[in-house]
Amino acid sequence: DQQVKQNSPSLSVQEGRISILNCDYTNSMFDYFLWYKKYPAEGPTFLISISSIKDKNEDGRFTVFLNKSAKHLSLHIVPSQPGDSAVYFCAASDSGGGADGLTFGKGTHLIIQP
Amino acid sequence: NAGVTQTPKFQVLKTGQSMTLQCAQDMNHNSMYWYRQDPGMGLRLIYYSASEGTTDKGEVPNGYNVSRLNKREFSLRLESAAPSQTSVYFCASISDGEKLFFGSGTQLSVL
Repeated sequence: DQQVKQNSPSLSVQEGRISILNCDYTNSMFDYFLWYKKYPAEGPTFLISISSIKDKNEDGRFTVFLNKSAKHLSLHIVPSQPGDSAVYFCAASDSGGGADGLTFGKGTHLIIQP
Repeated sequence: NAGVTQTPKFQVLKTGQSMTLQCAQDMNHNSMYWYRQDPGMGLRLIYYSASEGTTDKGEVPNGYNVSRLNKREFSLRLESAAPSQTSVYFCASISDGEKLFFGSGTQLSVL
């Protein structure tokens, strides 16, 4: 059973507009969430994270929102740029679970249209 | 500052052949991981090593073995490759902040 779900396999957004990528999780033990970005033929790279004690974390154009009651998080990119075109993975970890690895969603392919 | 280095980058095998994927990290991380990425399946954990001398199964360990040679190196072995093991393989290590650092991947095709 999938514990981290990204229900949109792809998303197309116009350059300059806001991109919103969504992620849902089922495991209530998850307490740390991350977003990774992946370009073709490269490994995923860390983008932004949020602890369950917060509901928002911001880093430049990227903001992650966490709604624990709904078991939902979202990544907002404002404004969207052509270099943001990539696959975005949502990932989650439980307490002390860093050593056990992260649980990933299937990814959302973001396409920024000029 | 190489980070996580994987070799080879590409490999083609015939069914039944064996091979070892090599991974080394220079960040002094304790924990290392092997993931596979398949279309529509995301990243799935094969094996991990929480510290030197220990290894544990992940979500999809069947058909693989691993060796944590020392703190830096973590290898993944396919003893008898199968077409279902055609995938992109990523090695990763983790910092104290639970952020995984990934290598650039090995694209493996099993014919």
